[in-house]
Amino acid sequence: DAGVIQSPRHEVTEMGQEVTLRCKPISGHDYLFWYRQTMMRGLELLIYFNNNVPIDDSGMPEDRFSAKMPNASFSTLKIQPSEPRDSAVYFCASCSSLAVYNEQFFGPGTRLTVL
Amino acid sequence: DAKTTQPTSMDCAEGRAANLPCNHSTISGNEYVYWYRQIHSQGPQYIIHGLKNNETNEMASLIITEDRKSSTLILPHATLRDTAVYYCIVRPLGNAGKSTFGDGTTLTVKP
Repeated sequence: DAGVIQSPRHEVTEMGQEVTLRCKPISGHDYLFWYRQTMMRGLELLIYFNNNVPIDDSGMPEDRFSAKMPNASFSTLKIQPSEPRDSAVYFCASCSSLAVYNEQFFGPGTRLTVL
Repeated sequence: DAKTTQPTSMDCAEGRAANLPCNHSTISGNEYVYWYRQIHSQGPQYIIHGLKNNETNEMASLIITEDRKSSTLILPHATLRDTAVYYCIVRPLGNAGKSTFGDGTTLTVKP
């Protein structure tokens, strides 16, 4: 299995631009998570989905952030408009509710820099 | 989810055992202890989990106190590649949802 796939791996954009991050979870996993990691705030859960339905988006910082999961194999996290304080590493993770341990498998992350 | 407390940083000599403590004094009866680690620039990686019995796998051992208020992750023979941030998390086994990652412990393995 290829594991959780994220794209792009690095993104540099200018303030005000729209940014779209993409994630392909491990096949068969029914949970998908989006995290953000910064030096100041550590690893924060932004939102998670179960069977493509958003379950908890209380970690989404503000209306500029939105996430979708149109099918079981694809999710996007969009920031519009982007701001310098959005610069961070964004991780996607997935897990299966059928797995005994429910451990999460993380992707390699997308390093976002907003100038 | 119960809150956990971990030391900010620890050092360990290569080849020696690394013992990473975690305090989870408010853990509930149905909550498991999970450990993840994050090597620089990579996503976190699952290591091990347990409820009340000691657990061992190919990566590490987990010792949970009888009152379940604390636990220790043991890397029996630490290598330089074990240098990472180690996170201790508690959550119900059946709840595949929220896992709150605290600040973790930065383990530095030295030659």
